[in-house]
Amino acid sequence: NAGVTQTPKFQVLKTGQSMTLQCAQDMNHEYMSWYRQDPGMGLRLIHYSVGAGITDQGEVPNGYNVSRSTTEDFPLRLLSAAPSQTSVYFCASSWETTENTEAFFGQGTRLTVV
Amino acid sequence: ELKVEQNPLFLSMQEGKNYTIYCNYSTTSDRLYWYRQDPGKSLESLFVLLSNGAVKQEGRLMASLDTKARLSTLHITAAVHDLSATYFCAVADSGGGADGLTFGKGTHLIIQP
Repeated sequence: NAGVTQTPKFQVLKTGQSMTLQCAQDMNHEYMSWYRQDPGMGLRLIHYSVGAGITDQGEVPNGYNVSRSTTEDFPLRLLSAAPSQTSVYFCASSWETTENTEAFFGQGTRLTVV
Repeated sequence: ELKVEQNPLFLSMQEGKNYTIYCNYSTTSDRLYWYRQDPGKSLESLFVLLSNGAVKQEGRLMASLDTKARLSTLHITAAVHDLSATYFCAVADSGGGADGLTFGKGTHLIIQP
């Protein structure tokens, strides 16, 4: 019963490097989202997807790209890492119906950009 | 733009006491979530509130939703040390699922013996 799986758990990048944070869910959820968590800021939405092939921007999308080629996977790409992207990143997924709408979160990826 | 405000942001209380965390939001929504987060951990779902007047209880925690006042409360009864954590409320914009939640900044709760 894996739920939402994020990899890696920890990552250190140099400024300007690129990388992809992986997120996979095995619950056949339509909706998937990426958030970043910074001290004192709560969680802020980066990008989200309501189904395969459909993505949209959240509150803080700059510097990040996403794609949703399958229902299961929703990778987050950092094109050119900056120290301001040092954060903890969470992926979440949920069903599409109002009646069954609980969001499940992955364990997080702690990213440091130096 | 949907805004979510929680208060207080920090709360230190003694075991056995009662207290309430408040969550106000700025635009119409019929779905509100409460999460718990322990240090270095992910978010654990506590409650999903889907309608005006909804009340849910689990152990020493009780959550309620007033959509007309755009207010949710998380009430802690007879607090115990194990409830020490950060609590977040989150509100869903229009749509079906929890595709994009707006979070409050969290309430860091410390319960002292």
